[in-house]
Amino acid sequence: DIQMTQSPSFLSASVGERVTLNCRASQNINKYLDWYQQKLGEAPKLLIYNTNNLHTGIPSRFSGSGSGTDYTLTISSLQPEDVATYFCLQRYSWLTFGSGTKLEIK
Amino acid sequence: EVQLQESGPGLVKPSQSLSLTCSVTGYSITSNYWGWIRKFPGNKMEWMGYINYSGGTSYDPSLKSRISITRDTSKNQFFLQLNSVTTEDTATYYCARFNYGGYSDYWGQGVMVTVSS
Repeated sequence: DIQMTQSPSFLSASVGERVTLNCRASQNINKYLDWYQQKLGEAPKLLIYNTNNLHTGIPSRFSGSGSGTDYTLTISSLQPEDVATYFCLQRYSWLTFGSGTKLEIK
Repeated sequence: EVQLQESGPGLVKPSQSLSLTCSVTGYSITSNYWGWIRKFPGNKMEWMGYINYSGGTSYDPSLKSRISITRDTSKNQFFLQLNSVTTEDTATYYCARFNYGGYSDYWGQGVMVTVSS
């Protein structure tokens, strides 16, 4: 099984700050990596698919990058409405999830 | 707009079966893939399996002996049955659509299921 290690597990940042979240796979996942945002009590929302493709309707301050085993979600300018838990998902071999990053406003 | 809504009992006794329904509106389940995912206390998430546009299924190997995903196309619903549950099956269960690109673009809000006597 492919293991996904997500870091940090918790992040506190200021409005307007650039924020970077990370996922590391236990083996090459060939960019089959998606990012989701989940706010309390809501359904998970797809942000990025296949490493760097912005899903329809997602603000351009969200971006993704990476290759091989290492992947990053970047929020270029943190907004109050970005408070949520973010998790990654690899689809290269079956599906496995990262453990999530809880993002808060400082 | 595609919407998914999970429903089912919130409490199941150990050794019994867990049965959940996912009701889909805004899109036919005879297209794409439709899956179940669960989130355990402590936030670990696990993909359980899916049913595809023609009714074919695929399950996570660790669950294969206990899981069944079926559908009712007339009601645009698909179902999860998990047999012989234990307390370790306590989780929030989500249904989701997987599009032909392979990624999941719509999820339900989830339903919490507790396994306890």
